[in-house]
Amino acid sequence: SQQGEEDPQALSIQEGENATMNCSYKTSINNLQWYRQNSGRGLVHLILIRSNEREKHSGRLRVTLDTSKKSSSLLITASRAADTASYFCAAFGGAQKLVFGQGTRLTINP
Amino acid sequence: EAQVTQNPRYLITVTGKKLTVTCSQNMNHEYMSWYRQDPGLGLRQIYYSMNVEVTDKGDVPEGYKVSRKEKRNFPLILESPSPNQTSLYFCASSGGHEQFFGPGTRLTVL
Repeated sequence: SQQGEEDPQALSIQEGENATMNCSYKTSINNLQWYRQNSGRGLVHLILIRSNEREKHSGRLRVTLDTSKKSSSLLITASRAADTASYFCAAFGGAQKLVFGQGTRLTINP
Repeated sequence: EAQVTQNPRYLITVTGKKLTVTCSQNMNHEYMSWYRQDPGLGLRQIYYSMNVEVTDKGDVPEGYKVSRKEKRNFPLILESPSPNQTSLYFCASSGGHEQFFGPGTRLTVL
């Protein structure tokens, strides 16, 4: 399978700072999705960006997509302790198939 | 409340003893899927189903079976579990592009 790669694998920042996570994928996509996972729990959908979009915002989240580089980034602004979680990108290439990256483990220090 | 439920949440078993992990969704979704999550490997798709009586292999189907006799249920069957199937398993359903995940089943095969 063509899994995506996320960078960094782990990120630790102070509360109030911005957190940026990057994702690269290998296949052509219909859309790119970001999910959040609290320790050992199910994933929760955060945001979806379509292949013809370049940037999307949702509250404190900002996602960019560069299909020419097959990459995406997730920015969380004004981070909070409750943002501590693992974040996964998932490339949707059609036929309902999501290919997940390995995730970035984000720690927000109070 | 819209949700995906899995049972059991935790299971310790021995090699060769058949087991079934149930998955149920109440959102009338046509698409359902099973993933396993292992450290350093992210989420990998085991099987998916586009609708009742329609199932197909994902990226890591060996050692697993599924069935989709009803729209709401998608059980995962391990006929003869082995230690390399020790993992965290997630069921997911979707009515479009976003996937809704269950809380996970942590399986240990001794």
